[in-house]
Amino acid sequence: EDKVVQSPLSLVVHEGDTVTLNCSYEVTNFRSLLWYKQEKKAPTFLFMLTSSGIEKKSGRLSSILDKKELSSILNITATQTGDSAIYLCAGALYNQGGKLIFGQGTELSVKP
Amino acid sequence: DGGITQSPKYLFRKEGQNVTLSCEQNLNHDAMYWYRQDPGQGLRLIYYSQIVNDFQKGDIAEGYSVSREKKESFPLTVTSAQKNPTAFYLCASSIQGNRNTEAFFGQGTRLTVV
Repeated sequence: EDKVVQSPLSLVVHEGDTVTLNCSYEVTNFRSLLWYKQEKKAPTFLFMLTSSGIEKKSGRLSSILDKKELSSILNITATQTGDSAIYLCAGALYNQGGKLIFGQGTELSVKP
Repeated sequence: DGGITQSPKYLFRKEGQNVTLSCEQNLNHDAMYWYRQDPGQGLRLIYYSQIVNDFQKGDIAEGYSVSREKKESFPLTVTSAQKNPTAFYLCASSIQGNRNTEAFFGQGTRLTVV
C-alpha cells in the first residue's frame, strides 16, 4: 500500500528559529514529491522535487529529496508568525492520472 | 482571475440526505480531483477525472458519486450511504493528469452532519 509519513505531527517554535520538517514515502511508481502549505483552507503549492540531491529554494524555505532514503525535508529559516500553518507532503505517481498520496501533515506554530 | 471555486463554504446535512458540493475551475485544466481531509489524517482521494465524461474511484469512493459533463465542472455528491461524511472537502485541478505538474486547490467546503 502506498504511504507517506510526516514528522513531527506538530511543532511549536519561536520567531527566528529554524525548523526542519520530515517526509518519508513508500510509493510504487514514484514520480515526484510535492510540498504544500495550508493556512486554514486551500493548500498552496511550495515545491515539486523530482531529482535526488537538488535543493529547491524560495526565500526562507528550501527542500531536498533523497531517493535513496525515500525521504524529503523542508527547511524554514528565521521563522515568522506568518509561517504558522499545516505543511503537507505528497507523493505523485506515474500513470495514475495525477493522483497524490498525502502524509498526515505537520502543524507548525510560530510564537512571537 | 483564474482559479478554482468551491461552493458552498459550509454545508449542513441531515441524516439520510444526499448533498452536492460544487467545484468549478476556469484554468482550462483537464484533470480534476476531490479529496477529503479529516484531522490527523491528511488528504485522501475520493474521485478523480482526467477528461470530460470519464472519472475513476480514488481510495475512499464508497458513499460518494461524481459527474464530469463539462471540462470546468466536477460536482461531488455525498450520498446517504456515506456513514461518516463530516469532513473538509477539497477540490483540485491540474493541467493534465499524467503530466508532472502541481495540483491547484479550491478553498474547500466544510460539511457537517446534524
